[in-house]
Amino acid sequence: DVKVTQSSRYLVKRTGEKVFLECVQDMDHENMFWYRQDPGLGLRLIYFSYDVKMKEKGDIPEGYSVSREKKERFSLILESASTNQTSMYLCASSYPGTSGGRGIDEQYFGPGTRLTVT
Amino acid sequence: SQQGEEDPQALSIQEGENATMNCSYKTSINNLQWYRQNSGRGLVHLILIRSNEREKHSGRLRVTLDTSKKSSSLLITASRAADTASYFCATQRNYQLTFGKGTKLSVIP
Repeated sequence: DVKVTQSSRYLVKRTGEKVFLECVQDMDHENMFWYRQDPGLGLRLIYFSYDVKMKEKGDIPEGYSVSREKKERFSLILESASTNQTSMYLCASSYPGTSGGRGIDEQYFGPGTRLTVT
Repeated sequence: SQQGEEDPQALSIQEGENATMNCSYKTSINNLQWYRQNSGRGLVHLILIRSNEREKHSGRLRVTLDTSKKSSSLLITASRAADTASYFCATQRNYQLTFGKGTKLSVIP
């Protein structure tokens, strides 16, 4: 079974703290993704990576950075946490797609980290 | 940018009935995928339909894709209480999956 694990299910941090969210996958997937999910807004892509040390911005990268030093691990960093970053954070991974070009097929999701910034 | 939009936002049905959810999108896509999310958990992939396909089945799931109308539908037949969840469509293009806001399905035993 594919497994995507996230370092914490629940996390409470203070405003201004630096926060690290870790994601590890065990399927040798090239692609890894970070989303945040908020009520009424659905899932929004923060950053993704299609190879080690490669990263691309998604729709809402402001206030976040990422690191991918090893294929299996993708970290999301909140440089200075703010209350508007309180959210559910979901990590996902996938193989390159078979659709051709820059495709993505099935994504495998971790259980999510519910982050509260006070 | 948000692309897929599901309709309805919420749906409540009796066990054994069929559930239909719709998804509309705005630009060309490589494929369209449907995911399920149980309350407070990660998403689980259900089915993928490519842009050159019109219909796909998987167990009790049936997905259609109309690229001329930029729309898709997910049909769950003979629903069960365990199907209670949120369902999301996601359109794939240029290394990205763009998710809609989801349909919340409640199946009443």
